[in-house]
Amino acid sequence: EVQLVESGGGFIQPGGSLRLSCAASGFTFSSYWMLWVRQAPGKGLVWVSRINGDGTSTSYADSVKGRFTISRDNAKNTLYLQMNSLGAEDTAVYYCARGLYNSSSGCIAYWGQGTLVTVSS
Amino acid sequence: DIQMTQSPSSLSASVGDRVTITCRASQSISKYLNWYQQKPGKAPELLIYATSSLQSGVPSRFSGSGSGTDFTLTINSLQPEDFATYYCQQSYSTPTFGQGTRLEIE
Repeated sequence: EVQLVESGGGFIQPGGSLRLSCAASGFTFSSYWMLWVRQAPGKGLVWVSRINGDGTSTSYADSVKGRFTISRDNAKNTLYLQMNSLGAEDTAVYYCARGLYNSSSGCIAYWGQGTLVTVSS
Repeated sequence: DIQMTQSPSSLSASVGDRVTITCRASQSISKYLNWYQQKPGKAPELLIYATSSLQSGVPSRFSGSGSGTDFTLTINSLQPEDFATYYCQQSYSTPTFGQGTRLEIE
């Protein structure tokens, strides 16, 4: 069974940094593109970033480019999102996700439970 | 980026009704259109992928159609557990989602 478990969310002041983690199990982690998707309170879903299986290809939404860094440790079956220069607009539930197939932009069949990041002074 | 526009933004219906939600892409996305259901406090769940393929375990009362820029999600014979928010998402390029359609009990 595919499982994705996020951690690392919390309350952070504007300008601060936070690193999210996503522990994956139930599949061959290194074989899949992985994604982060976020959802601000009461708002819709927004794709944030993605990374290929061996970590050599990444892309970001314009809203986080230059501030967020996605990475992975295939030995630990873990996905990361390093978030710097956080602002109130980054307040959201962050979901770790995997596609149904190994694709950079396919449908998202597996989601973690989400971790809440709150940026406020 | 490809913009996705859903309509309506909210919808009231009764158990047993048939409802249709539409999704329009700002450019052609062929059949790369997916639908998700999200309940409060929960992660989204994939319902339909590639316009009309039903994800494993999803009831057959859910169906999807369309191509190019215009797509629909149809739910036949609404059940109490179907009242939720629905999102479309294009997977033709960098993923983008519609703004969501909230389906409420009338």
